[in-house]
Amino acid sequence: EVQLVESGGGLVQPGGSLRLSCAASGFTFSDHYMDWVRQAPGKGLDWVGRTRNKANSYTTEYAASVKGRFTISRDYSKNSLYLQMDSLKTEDTAVYYCARSQIVDGSRWYFDLWGRGTLVTVSS
Amino acid sequence: DIQMTQSPSSLSASVGDRVTITCRASQGINNCLAWFQQKPGKAPKILIYAASRLQSGVPSKFTGSGSGTDFTLTISSLQPEDFATYYCQQYIGYPLTFGGGTKVEIK
Repeated sequence: EVQLVESGGGLVQPGGSLRLSCAASGFTFSDHYMDWVRQAPGKGLDWVGRTRNKANSYTTEYAASVKGRFTISRDYSKNSLYLQMDSLKTEDTAVYYCARSQIVDGSRWYFDLWGRGTLVTVSS
Repeated sequence: DIQMTQSPSSLSASVGDRVTITCRASQGINNCLAWFQQKPGKAPKILIYAASRLQSGVPSKFTGSGSGTDFTLTISSLQPEDFATYYCQQYIGYPLTFGGGTKVEIK
């Protein structure tokens, strides 16, 4: 079955760290761009960052709000995506979704598969 | 950053109604636009990509149109399972950005 399953969410104090995981199955993980998208309680969707596929050397992009604090990585042997979150702020409280991107028109990538999400709460 | 503006932010409609949601980009994005449906407590689900292409498995009552800066999502004959929040998203440039969402409620 093609799916993404996130884990690792929880309660953390401001200034703390947390690492989220996303286990991918049912597809060739290295072929796809992979993203993290978050949603604060009662709010809209907010892109966090992306890692490109193997053909594009797994390079990364980040939203300005998390750049320098969050790091996206992959473990090819485990078909897993990670989000290392450091220096967490209360405004980082959200459900974090892992999303797979699919290529279209030769060079553009859109989100075609989402995990169920994991809740991160940053509070003292 | 490319700003995505959806309208309306919410609407009330009846079963069987035809509903249209609009999304405007702050600069031209060609056809690099996707539409998502999200139900409470669930992950978003892709409906439309490349502005008008229906994702595999999505019912044909969902249609997308537009190019450049102005886009629409139309749901023909609204059914109970279609009551949800809908988001547009541009994927031509970074940061990737979403519209604020349109909540479709039962009248």
